[in-house]
Amino acid sequence: EAQVTQNPRYLITVTGKKLTVTCSQNMNHEYMSWYRQDPGLGLRQIYYSMNVEVTDKGDVPEGYKVSRKEKRNFPLILESPSPNQTSLYFCASSLLEGTPRYFGPGTRLTVL
Amino acid sequence: GQQVMQIPQYQHVQEGEDFTTYCNSSTTLSNIQWYKQRPGGHPVFLIQLVKSGEVKKQKRLTFQFGEAKKNSSLHITATQTTDVGTYFCAGGRDDKIIFGKGTRLHILP
Repeated sequence: EAQVTQNPRYLITVTGKKLTVTCSQNMNHEYMSWYRQDPGLGLRQIYYSMNVEVTDKGDVPEGYKVSRKEKRNFPLILESPSPNQTSLYFCASSLLEGTPRYFGPGTRLTVL
Repeated sequence: GQQVMQIPQYQHVQEGEDFTTYCNSSTTLSNIQWYKQRPGGHPVFLIQLVKSGEVKKQKRLTFQFGEAKKNSSLHITATQTTDVGTYFCAGGRDDKIIFGKGTRLHILP
């Protein structure tokens, strides 16, 4: 079954404690991307990757890092989380650049 | 910067009535995508439009891309309770994608 998985699904953490949200896809897609979804602001792109070792900033990259060492995985790293990063995060993948086709189930992050 | 405006923000319709949501971009788009997100769920890709003036249909859903490739619409005919959710458009340009804020559809039985 074609799918994008994210872990964890829910996370409550404290300010400054480094965390990683994993994202994995089983469709051999080249394009992967991360979004955050906030009430009233919709979905905003954080980072995207067009292929292994190729990543670029989206609209709201501040405070986030990503890596793309393998085609299937695209982890999102928060080196020093802050309360304004409390949000619902989605990973997505697709064959077509710039067109997120399959979304993961989401990770709800709360930073205290 | 590039913006994608989506209206209305909310829409309540009686079951069986039609529903339309509109997207407008401040710049010409390469393509536009539409997604549906059920409450508590994740966005689900519905369709991509690429050509100027393109019209595509999926059962009761009709999608249009404007001639100038700056606006788009999604029309649902005879809504059903399963249509409940938020519908997002997303405009693509230069490898970037900008999402509209979505239209939340409520169906009154």
